Amino acid sequence: DAGVTQSPTHLIKTRGQHVTLRCSPISGHKSVSWYQQVLGQGPQFIFQYYEKEERGRGNFPDRFSARQFPNYSSELNVNALLLGDSALYLCASSWREDTQYFGPGTRLTVL
Amino acid sequence: DQQVKQNSPSLSVQEGRISILNCDYTNSMFDYFLWYKKYPAEGPTFLISISSIKDKNEDGRFTVFLNKSAKHLSLHIVPSQPGDSAVYFCAASITGNQFYFGTGTSLTVIP
Repeated sequence: DAGVTQSPTHLIKTRGQHVTLRCSPISGHKSVSWYQQVLGQGPQFIFQYYEKEERGRGNFPDRFSARQFPNYSSELNVNALLLGDSALYLCASSWREDTQYFGPGTRLTVL
Repeated sequence: DQQVKQNSPSLSVQEGRISILNCDYTNSMFDYFLWYKKYPAEGPTFLISISSIKDKNEDGRFTVFLNKSAKHLSLHIVPSQPGDSAVYFCAASITGNQFYFGTGTSLTVIP
């Protein structure tokens, strides 16, 4: 079975630009969550979507937005990029409360 | 405000011995707890979970213990193998929504 997939794997942007990250969950999983991980820290929750509805939002500015599509794939959008947005962005999918499965992540570098 | 803490940044253990990784949390409402293993340049890999109605869960060489009164979680790996060398994260949530992660413990298993 295919795991969670994310694209692209790496991305380099400059300050002020916009970025879109994509995630495809494991087949049958209806929930997708997004996390940001900076070096030396654990993943920080950004959003959770379930059945295309936002279920939770972490402490991130409005420059961050996301959506989930009818096939349960998801996009994370970040506007007006800042240097501090450089991080590994992780997507996780789940079908029940006690497990989340992560994708390999997208490494975003903002110059 | 770090609701999940892993106070040991690193741990070294001899092959074949027990590895014990610890995690403390502050929010008594957390009811799901997960452990992940992470290799560099990869997404976290789900290891084992426990809900707050249990105090122990086993899966092969991995056992998670939950002490709700102390708000403490531990992961035991027996016997430890060199391939277990990785960064381990604990995570906690309320009803499986937003997961809060610790900062990780880097485990090195010495052959």
